[in-house]
Amino acid sequence: GAVVSQHPSRVICKSGTSVKIECRSLDFQATTMFWYRQFPKQSLMLMATSNEGSKATYEQGVEKDKFLINHASLTLSTLTVTSAHPEDSSFYICSAIRPTSTDTQYFGPGTRLTVL
Amino acid sequence: KQEVTQIPAALSVPEGENLVLNCSFTDSAIYNLQWFRQDPGKGLTSLLLIQSSQREQTSGRLNASLDKSSGRSTLYIAASQPGDSATYLCAVASGSEKLVFGKGTKLTVNP
Repeated sequence: GAVVSQHPSRVICKSGTSVKIECRSLDFQATTMFWYRQFPKQSLMLMATSNEGSKATYEQGVEKDKFLINHASLTLSTLTVTSAHPEDSSFYICSAIRPTSTDTQYFGPGTRLTVL
Repeated sequence: KQEVTQIPAALSVPEGENLVLNCSFTDSAIYNLQWFRQDPGKGLTSLLLIQSSQREQTSGRLNASLDKSSGRSTLYIAASQPGDSATYLCAVASGSEKLVFGKGTKLTVNP
């Protein structure tokens, strides 16, 4: 099956620093990737849709200047949390749509971000 | 705005028991509905996907049903095993490929 990876799996950083999370589709090209955030015991909330070669589309309430998304290639999307604060601590998960299987999103293993 | 609710929030059963997880959604104009499994601190594994035109899907011991008109779906797990312990998430797609997730049901199967 399709595989999506994320790096790093876990990151701890100091408040005020920026953190970059990578999402890669390993065996297919993905024109569309999604970034989700999951707080403890909460649902996954869609943050933004990442489109290869164009600007990301952000959901209402998500600050685009704080969560920078770059989808520079068909296999890589990055999420940069800028000037991270403790309230940004969360589990970030990406997903990718395989062009030949548009109904199914393949999810990455997630990245646990802890901001001290 | 689509909202997805899952009941119960948590469920604990003895091994071997059959069980049903429930999912309801407010907007019946959906494209498809998916059930996922999430292990602690891990990503999501897709279990079953039901298109809006379908009534049910089966995979091994899992059976998912969809009643679009009433905004409900159920996930039936037969002969539960300790390895089934995880959080089960229901997600609805409303045509734009965006998924709206419920909060999940945390299942514990006791040996």
